[in-house]
Amino acid sequence: EPEVTQTPSHQVTQMGQEVILRCVPISNHLYFYWYRQILGQKVEFLVSFYNNEISEKSEIFDDQFSVERPDGSNFTLKIRSTKLEDSAMYFCASSEDMNTEAFFGQGTRLTVV
Amino acid sequence: AQSVTQPDIHITVSEGASLELRCNYSYGATPYLFWYVQSPGQGLQLLLKYFSGDTLVQGIKGFEAEFKRSQSSFNLRKPSVHWSDAAEYFCAVKGNQGAQKLVFGQGTRLTINP
Repeated sequence: EPEVTQTPSHQVTQMGQEVILRCVPISNHLYFYWYRQILGQKVEFLVSFYNNEISEKSEIFDDQFSVERPDGSNFTLKIRSTKLEDSAMYFCASSEDMNTEAFFGQGTRLTVV
Repeated sequence: AQSVTQPDIHITVSEGASLELRCNYSYGATPYLFWYVQSPGQGLQLLLKYFSGDTLVQGIKGFEAEFKRSQSSFNLRKPSVHWSDAAEYFCAVKGNQGAQKLVFGQGTRLTINP
C-alpha cells in the first residue's frame, strides 16, 4: 500500500541552526501538507502546497519556514533559524486533490536544544 | 472559524466493552469529517471519513461513526474494543468549499484494561 515517508524520524538541533525535514508523498498525489504537534497540544496545520506553490498557510508559517519540492518525489520543510519553541512532531501529508482525504507520514520529532 | 472539540481527554475501557468517542465541531456548513488514530510512535492513520450521503460511515478496524447535523457531532464507535485499540484518536474537519487544511481536535487517549 502506498504511504507517505518522512526522514529523519528524530532530529536534534541547536537553537539557531537550520533544519530540513524531508518527505516523500504518495506518488500520484497532487496536494502536499505540513502539520506539527507540540507535545501535549493539538495537531496544527502549517502549510499546503500545490502546483509548485504554497496554496494555503497558517499564521504559524512565518518567514522562518519555507517549503520546496526540489524534484518529482521529495517535499521538504525548512526552518531557517530554529527556536526552542519549534520543538514538535512534524507531520507531512498528501492527498490526491483538495476534496479527498489526506494520508500522513510517521512524523519527524524535532528537538531544539 | 472552524473548531473541533473532543470533550474527553482520556478514556479507559475494558477489553471487549463498547466504545464511543465524542467529537463536536463548529463550522458554517457541513464540513468533511475524519477520524484519525495515532498509535505510540506511529503516524496518523485514517480510520474513516464522511463527505456526504449515508450519515453512518464504516471504517477500518471495526470502527464506525455517525454524523448528526442537528448536534454538530461525529462520534466514533466500536462495539467491542481490543487491546490493540489503545491509542490516541483525533477528530478532524475540513471545509468543503476548496479549503485545504484539516482542523484537529485535541485528541482522546484510549486506554484498554485487560
